[in-house]
Amino acid sequence: GQSLEQPSEVTAVEGAIVQINCTYQTSGFYGLSWYQQHDGGAPTFLSYNALDGLEETGRFSSFLSRSDSYGYLLLQELQMKDSASYFCAAPSGQGGKLIFGQGTELSVKP
Amino acid sequence: DGGITQSPKYLFRKEGQNVTLSCEQNLNHDAMYWYRQDPGQGLRLIYYSQIVNDFQKGDIAEGYSVSREKKESFPLTVTSAQKNPTAFYLCASSIRQPNQPQHFGDGTRLSIL
Repeated sequence: GQSLEQPSEVTAVEGAIVQINCTYQTSGFYGLSWYQQHDGGAPTFLSYNALDGLEETGRFSSFLSRSDSYGYLLLQELQMKDSASYFCAAPSGQGGKLIFGQGTELSVKP
Repeated sequence: DGGITQSPKYLFRKEGQNVTLSCEQNLNHDAMYWYRQDPGQGLRLIYYSQIVNDFQKGDIAEGYSVSREKKESFPLTVTSAQKNPTAFYLCASSIRQPNQPQHFGDGTRLSIL
């Protein structure tokens, strides 16, 4: 079957750097996406990695290693507003269907 | 502005009652999806549709039904057969390719009376 594993929660302080890991088992791998969801809100797309390496978007970066079936989301210069749940997701099949991980709840402390 | 609109924001269901959650998008996306999210959990796929007049079951379709008569609309009915319907329901849409981001509505929170 297909599955994505990520830690359930992570805590960090304001201004720090935090890394959220995701390991996956999927058939026909097409890439890894990351979504952010604030409590009670809609998930929003953060980044997508189709190839190995690092993709940088402002304070957020995402990394993929297809040989290790592993990726991570790196958040720098943490702010209180970054407190949210972060989900990794991978395509399933040829269409736009996604499989989501269980989510990592990030708490940013002052 | 383009986006996805879900309604209502909160919904209460009585025992034995069917309720329908609305999802409308004006992003011109072919693909639409319904997810269920329970507290502290990830998103589980209920149904998805890649094109008008066609839809497929996701991982937890039992007790739910959908229709896709128009490209813009993908309503979800929670039937009385769904014995544990209390959850946060999210609708999403995307371009019908594996590497395209999904765009989500603000969700409907369903509770049992």
